[in-house]
Amino acid sequence: GAVVSQHPSWVICKSGTSVKIECRSLDFQATTMFWYRQFPKQSLMLMATSNEGSKATYEQGVEKDKFLINHASLTLSTLTVTSAHPEDSSFYICSARALLGQNNSPLHFGNGTRLTVT
Amino acid sequence: GQQLNQSPQSMFIQEGEDVSMNCTSSSIFNTWLWYKQDPGEGPVLLIALYKAGELTSNGRLTAQFGITRKDSFLNISASIPSDVGIYFCAGQLSRGTGGFKTIFGAGTRLFVKA
Repeated sequence: GAVVSQHPSWVICKSGTSVKIECRSLDFQATTMFWYRQFPKQSLMLMATSNEGSKATYEQGVEKDKFLINHASLTLSTLTVTSAHPEDSSFYICSARALLGQNNSPLHFGNGTRLTVT
Repeated sequence: GQQLNQSPQSMFIQEGEDVSMNCTSSSIFNTWLWYKQDPGEGPVLLIALYKAGELTSNGRLTAQFGITRKDSFLNISASIPSDVGIYFCAGQLSRGTGGFKTIFGAGTRLFVKA
């Protein structure tokens, strides 16, 4: 149980274009999903918390207009990297906590999306 | 802010050896989690610990929630080549608004030589 699916697994785009990454909880509902960014050989950096039916909460230093988050249903959150630049190239990972689980139930992660901006 | 100190940063071991890694913090956590991440993939949950003093096993893996709630360790017994990867500890603590915050350690890179 608690499977999180992320799509696409990798994407290459040209500078200036926008890229959308989807995160789905397959066998549970999630009112909250989390978006992380990971640089090579580093830990996970929380970018934002995606809240179903309301605005996302962004961590300090993360541009909300650059990284648009939409959480339209209890099983889907999307992250759109707008006007991508080479420095946005990174590994993006989403995670979710089961709605009906304990409030401190573990995060389950998607398989990540490798974004390369040329 | 809260921080987790995970050590060691990396380990180079021989197949069959036992491995131990740990995380410490000055903060008290409600939950300790251990994840493994393979290259190019997302972290996979290995063990979740919910009570101080709790000792939990998952196959060759054993993890404990420290009595003070400020630390946790993960042991891997009789390592095999597929144990290679990055192991992350994570602590969860209450935000006080009903939600929980998850903080990750920097990771331990494990290399196993056959």
